[in-house]
Amino acid sequence: GDSVTQMEGPVTLSEEAFLTINCTYTATGYPSLFWYVQYPGEGLQLLLKATKADDKGSNKGFEATYRKETTSFHLEKGSVQVSDSAVYFCALSASRGGSNYKLTFGKGTLLTVNP
Amino acid sequence: KAGVTQTPRYLIKTRGQQVTLSCSPISGHRSVSWYQQTPGQGLQFLFEYFSETQRNKGNFPGRFSGRQFSNSRSEMNVSTLELGDSALYLCASSPGSGEPRAETQYFGPGTRLLVL
Repeated sequence: GDSVTQMEGPVTLSEEAFLTINCTYTATGYPSLFWYVQYPGEGLQLLLKATKADDKGSNKGFEATYRKETTSFHLEKGSVQVSDSAVYFCALSASRGGSNYKLTFGKGTLLTVNP
Repeated sequence: KAGVTQTPRYLIKTRGQQVTLSCSPISGHRSVSWYQQTPGQGLQFLFEYFSETQRNKGNFPGRFSGRQFSNSRSEMNVSTLELGDSALYLCASSPGSGEPRAETQYFGPGTRLLVL
């Protein structure tokens, strides 16, 4: 079945450091890939997405590139801020037939950014 | 547009009771999905509804059920609650009529259920 593996946390960085959170996936067919972010006490917010190979999703300084050859979608940011502290989820949506709207999530990575 | 809303935000129940959670999707969205989030299992898909019909279902026991109304609002019900049902229950909506793999799901803030 479909699965998403993302790096175990927690990840602790200093402000302005470079961030990478690794994500790899297994899916039949041709999935779309997503990064969601969850702030304390809140639901999930879409951070970025990519729907085909070599697409780069970007938002708020975060970027991720859909690499079909390595089945990866690593999240990066050049300079993190304290306000980026949250849990980050990698997810995929794989189409099987016409009505599969299910998201499969990784376990989540807790990021803490210290001033 | 208003976002996805869920009520109540917090619930405390005891084992054996049943509970009903409600979700109102973004206006115009016809697909509503439910997910369970726990520290141990992470985010797991429960089911998805479109036009009052369940289209997809995850691997949960029959105690977990749902329904969708003609205005696209959805409810999920858990009967005979167990301690392990304590979780954050998230609802997500999407238009539901586009290419499934490309549609973005928009999540509500969740209902936190504690079973004692």
